[in-house]
Amino acid sequence: GAVVSQHPSWVICKSGTSVKIECRSLDFQATTMFWYRQFPKQSLMLMATSNEGSKATYEQGVEKDKFLINHASLTLSTLTVTSAHPEDSSFYICSAKTGTASNQPQHFGDGTRLSIL
Amino acid sequence: AQSVTQLDSQVPVFEEAPVELRCNYSSSVSVYLFWYVQYPNQGLQLLLKYLSGSTLVKGINGFEAEFNKSQTSFHLRKPSVHISDTAEYFCAVSANTGNQFYFGTGTSLTVIP
Repeated sequence: GAVVSQHPSWVICKSGTSVKIECRSLDFQATTMFWYRQFPKQSLMLMATSNEGSKATYEQGVEKDKFLINHASLTLSTLTVTSAHPEDSSFYICSAKTGTASNQPQHFGDGTRLSIL
Repeated sequence: AQSVTQLDSQVPVFEEAPVELRCNYSSSVSVYLFWYVQYPNQGLQLLLKYLSGSTLVKGINGFEAEFNKSQTSFHLRKPSVHISDTAEYFCAVSANTGNQFYFGTGTSLTVIP
């Protein structure tokens, strides 16, 4: 149980285009989803916390107009990288919790490798 | 705020040997502790968690970890590693008052045949 699906797994696109990444909880309802960015050989950097039906909470230094997050349902959150540039190339990972309690683990998607040419 | 320290960035170990991956944390409130494993180009998979109760927790793939409150540690152990255990391992803490996880910088475990 607690499966999170992330799509696409790999995307290559030209500089200036926008890219949408989907994160779905397949067998549970996720009130809260998280978006992370991971650079090679580094840990996960939390970008934002997404709550269903409300605006996402962005971490300091993350441009909310650049990284648009929508959490329209209890099973789907999307991250849109707008007007992507080569410096946005990275590995993006989403996660979801099965409940709101702080002792609930996060369940992760398989990540999306974004390459901007 | 909480923080996590994984002192060993890389740990090479021979196949069938035991291994310990170290994790220390700091927090002013009670925490929950987690270990995750990440295989190349994949997301993170939960290995085990400590919420309360017995300080020795067992997880998947033969891993176990021991919570030591006085030393603020949560070290991960396996008595005999396999080639397939080669991966990146992350320790994470969550305060009992919030939603956010704080991850360590990760330990790259390489099992040598």
